[in-house]
Amino acid sequence: DTEVTQTPKHLVMGMTNKKSLKCEQHMGHRAMYWYKQKAKKPPELMFVYSYEKLSINESVPSRFSPECPNSSLLNLHLHALQPEDSALYLCASSPLGRGLRYGYTFGSGTRLTVV
Amino acid sequence: DQQVKQNSPSLSVQEGRISILNCDYTNSMFDYFLWYKKYPAEGPTFLISISSIKDKNEDGRFTVFLNKSAKHLSLHIVPSQPGDSAVYFCAASAKRPGAGSYQLTFGKGTKLSVIP
Repeated sequence: DTEVTQTPKHLVMGMTNKKSLKCEQHMGHRAMYWYKQKAKKPPELMFVYSYEKLSINESVPSRFSPECPNSSLLNLHLHALQPEDSALYLCASSPLGRGLRYGYTFGSGTRLTVV
Repeated sequence: DQQVKQNSPSLSVQEGRISILNCDYTNSMFDYFLWYKKYPAEGPTFLISISSIKDKNEDGRFTVFLNKSAKHLSLHIVPSQPGDSAVYFCAASAKRPGAGSYQLTFGKGTKLSVIP
């Protein structure tokens, strides 16, 4: 299995809603990432998990809450989002302990719209 | 401070001709440089990479060249095909201090259009 699976593919939520994005990989990668991508912009790093522990938080607002229940799963819990948080949210994974010769494996993303 | 720069937002090329996408960087600590291809509403797909100690890597129609003295790399696609039309992101890998993990830094992307 060489894929990163993200669900749902599309999500529309109100500013008072609570929702979660899910990501799953079975490649044995011990680093997992959340990226946010706006139209015509590069992916922006949000969080990095290494061995299921949060290692990098790029000063992301607390309305975004990541969780890594095990080595295969990564969640992003959303609460009280703003319309400007509408974007494509990408999950990625990679091996740890060596350079990124093959980069990350990205999921196809969740297109989030906050209304 | 943008460490990876793609100065051309778009490029149009005739089918069968060569496409050349360019990327500049500022951080000498990058150990790998990568190219990703992205279609709308999909995640980026890894295309090809090059180690910072190499100057060329080839994979089929795709060749990446690295000029370390100029801090410049380029992706050549020969021959270009309509299916190559996508956004191409240049990315560079470096170890994140204190985090134990490597991290990719992305350029802004170049939209390639291959005209039949």
